[in-house]
Amino acid sequence: SQQGEEDPQALSIQEGENATMNCSYKTSINNLQWYRQNSGRGLVHLILIRSNEREKHSGRLRVTLDTSKKSSSLLITASRAADTASYFCATDGTSYGKLTFGQGTILTVHP
Amino acid sequence: GAVVSQHPSWVICKSGTSVKIECRSLDFQATTMFWYRQFPKQSLMLMATSNEGSKATYEQGVEKDKFLINHASLTLSTLTVTSAHPEDSSFYICSARDRGLGSTGELFFGEGSRLTVL
Repeated sequence: SQQGEEDPQALSIQEGENATMNCSYKTSINNLQWYRQNSGRGLVHLILIRSNEREKHSGRLRVTLDTSKKSSSLLITASRAADTASYFCATDGTSYGKLTFGQGTILTVHP
Repeated sequence: GAVVSQHPSWVICKSGTSVKIECRSLDFQATTMFWYRQFPKQSLMLMATSNEGSKATYEQGVEKDKFLINHASLTLSTLTVTSAHPEDSSFYICSARDRGLGSTGELFFGEGSRLTVL
């Protein structure tokens, strides 16, 4: 069953604006990961945050994790048209890489 | 970085035929690989966990006789869709984790294989 629920399902913004996507999950996790998928392509790993971490940065990406609320957010700052893609959160409840994906957020950044 | 290769990237077949999709880890050994299925504009659903040298572990609701998985070596897992029907048309994606010494344990995904059954 799908554990991760993401909102919004779709987000449309202008270049230069920030984009925030949220993810909620139901069971305990070892880590939570965010992935990007361009249309018809495979997944690209963006960032991993462990259950004992609260915030992590990577370039224009900022991820937060609140294990008490079982939620995470992905912030993309100063968005670019090239950021247009689907973004998925995925939870890893084991050490074997068996991920459970959220429904995804379709981000469209208009130039 | 580590690369996972899938082949073919797309395939069209007639109903009733079988299709094999390969997933290779190119520069690392993967004792475990995962197969996902993705319908258009939907999320990825885990189908099965492929274990090198042993039987695959299938998720609930996935027919093991329909989706045959073989993980004969540390770098290759195959998914065979047997007697394919139009409802099997989907995007199939594999992933593998580099669990070798010195690795970060990161999970790598293939580029996916789009199957269209006519």
